Amino acid sequence: EAQVTQNPRYLITVTGKKLTVTCSQNMNHEYMSWYRQDPGLGLRQIYYSMNVEVTDKGDVPEGYKVSRKEKRNFPLILESPSPNQTSLYFCASTPGGAGELFFGEGSRLTVL
Amino acid sequence: AQKITQTQPGMFVQEKEAVTLDCTYDTSDPSYGLFWYKQPSSGEMIFLIYQGSYDQQNATEGRYSLNFQKARKSANLVISASQLGDSAMYFCAMTGVSGNNRLAFGKGNQVVVIP
Repeated sequence: EAQVTQNPRYLITVTGKKLTVTCSQNMNHEYMSWYRQDPGLGLRQIYYSMNVEVTDKGDVPEGYKVSRKEKRNFPLILESPSPNQTSLYFCASTPGGAGELFFGEGSRLTVL
Repeated sequence: AQKITQTQPGMFVQEKEAVTLDCTYDTSDPSYGLFWYKQPSSGEMIFLIYQGSYDQQNATEGRYSLNFQKARKSANLVISASQLGDSAMYFCAMTGVSGNNRLAFGKGNQVVVIP
């Protein structure tokens, strides 16, 4: 089954404790991206990757890091989480072009 | 830069009736794609329908249709014969050839279907 898998789905952590949200896709897609969703703001792109070892900032990259060492994986790293990073996070992938984005199920993160 | 605007307030719709969700967009890309996603209370993003900017006909997927008016830069979603399971947040989004496959999202429309 074609899918994008994120982990963890739910996480409560404290300010400053490094965390990683993993994302994996099994569709051999070149393009992957991370979004955060906040009430009243819709979804905003954090980082994206066009291919292995190729990453770039989206609209709201501050406080986040990413890596793309393998085509299937695109982890999101919060080196020192802060309460304003409390949000619902989505990983997504697409084969490219103006085609459908396949979303993961979302990861709800709370930073206390 | 691409911009999506969804300005309708939350909507109540009677079961079995049709509902139209408005979406306008702005882009300088000659080629772009328009999408609608559904997000139920459980949180996942569900792809509904896609319209390419060069598609001659309006896209349809079952009870969903996209009313694409290119000159007006609008891409309204029509849901026919609403069902209780259609209660959700609906997002309009777009991507363009110069957008690095980035989806620009609107802020969403909340729809509640009442029996």
